[in-house]
Amino acid sequence: EAQVTQNPRYLITVTGKKLTVTCSQNMNHEYMSWYRQDPGLGLRQIYYSMNVEVTDKGDVPEGYKVSRKEKRNFPLILESPSPNQTSLYFCASSLLTGDEQYFGPGTRLTVT
Amino acid sequence: DAKTTQPTSMDCAEGRAANLPCNHSTISGNEYVYWYRQIHSQGPQYIIHGLKNNETNEMASLIITEDRKSSTLILPHATLRDTAVYYCIVRVGGDSWGKLQFGAGTQVVVTP
Repeated sequence: EAQVTQNPRYLITVTGKKLTVTCSQNMNHEYMSWYRQDPGLGLRQIYYSMNVEVTDKGDVPEGYKVSRKEKRNFPLILESPSPNQTSLYFCASSLLTGDEQYFGPGTRLTVT
Repeated sequence: DAKTTQPTSMDCAEGRAANLPCNHSTISGNEYVYWYRQIHSQGPQYIIHGLKNNETNEMASLIITEDRKSSTLILPHATLRDTAVYYCIVRVGGDSWGKLQFGAGTQVVVTP
C-alpha cells in the first residue's frame, strides 16, 4: 500500500532533550516536506526537500533540522526542543514538486 | 501565491450535494486551484485540482469560473465521512517549492 509513515505518532518530552521524528514514503517520491499545525495558525511548512541531499527552509525552520540521505526517508530533528515546538507535525511527499501531496498520519509532540 | 477566501463553516444534509465556494480574485494565469481536506487532525488529503477547465474525479467535481476568480468544489452525495475542514489553495503548478499555503478552510459538517 502506498503510504507515508511517521514515527512516533505521539511523543512527550522535556525541554532540551534531542529528538528525531522519522518520515518514510514507499512511493519513490522525489519531493518531501514537513509541516506543523497549530490552532489558529493552520498548517505551516518547516522544511522541504526536492531530492536526495537537496533541502531548503520553509516558512518556520527555526529550531529544526532535516536530512535527506535516502529518497524514501526525511527525518525531522529537534536538537533542543522548547515548549513552543509543541505541535502536530505532518510529513508529506509527492512525485514531483507540483503534484498532489500525500500526507502522513501526523505526530503529536508535547514539550514540557 | 494568490490568497483565497472561503466561508468559515457550512452544513450539509447526508445524501445531498455539498457546494463549497472559494474566491481567488487575484489568481495569476499560471496558478492552479487545489482542494484538500482534513478529517479531524488526520493528515490532509488531496481531493482535486484544476487550471481553467472543470474537473471531475471519483471524489468530487471542481467548477472554475471563466474569469478564474472563483471556484466551487462539489461533493455530489455527501456522507457523514465527508465531515472535515476543506482547504482551497492556489499555487503555481510545477513550481520549485511545492509549498502548499493552507488558510483556515471551511468546516463542513454533514448531518444525518
